[in-house]
Amino acid sequence: DAKTTQPTSMDCAEGRAANLPCNHSTISGNEYVYWYRQIHSQGPQYIIHGLKNNETNEMASLIITEDRKSSTLILPHATLRDTAVYYCIGVNTGTASKLTFGTGTRLQVTL
Amino acid sequence: EAGVAQSPRYKIIEKRQSVAFWCNPISGHATLYWYQQILGQGPKLLIQFQNNGVVDDSQLPKDRFSAERLKGVDSTLKIQPAKLEDSAVYLCASSSSQIYEQYFGPGTRLTVT
Repeated sequence: DAKTTQPTSMDCAEGRAANLPCNHSTISGNEYVYWYRQIHSQGPQYIIHGLKNNETNEMASLIITEDRKSSTLILPHATLRDTAVYYCIGVNTGTASKLTFGTGTRLQVTL
Repeated sequence: EAGVAQSPRYKIIEKRQSVAFWCNPISGHATLYWYQQILGQGPKLLIQFQNNGVVDDSQLPKDRFSAERLKGVDSTLKIQPAKLEDSAVYLCASSSSQIYEQYFGPGTRLTVT
């Protein structure tokens, strides 16, 4: 599975868009990018995933660059409840892969 | 829909004692996972069950950790004997056919003194 690199921490003002980057320069053609988040004292929560097209759901949007070497998770209107650690994970769904969590990005949403 | 249930939420034991954690997955989810999360790190997969069979236990320290999933529903994870380095949050997760969309429970925080 592709190694992913994320910033350690980010801040965002409430109501603004939070853009969380992820670098996955070694990703292979059949590897998906999955995003999870973990709010303090809770288990991780699935957010979204994508292969090469941009994806949107009720929680977030995922923008994947054309060369697939990086992606950005966008929370369009961040709230205090979005304060969490966000994990970007490369997954080869064609093999017996597993979710390998790194240390993620700690997003702090402030007033 | 009820989420993944885990108990207990907190446990404090002394080293060399034994401890067990229980997990009840979301109804109908065939795949169940146990993760260990040490403070400051992301969760690490310990074991994965498909129904009541083990799919992956490559990162389970089998000399002291054991897990079972009888009847393909509930699962227990046991540590015997515990070491100081086992202090962590133990997370249970389950999934349906979309195995990378996993639903996590709240976890059990274990402190070994």
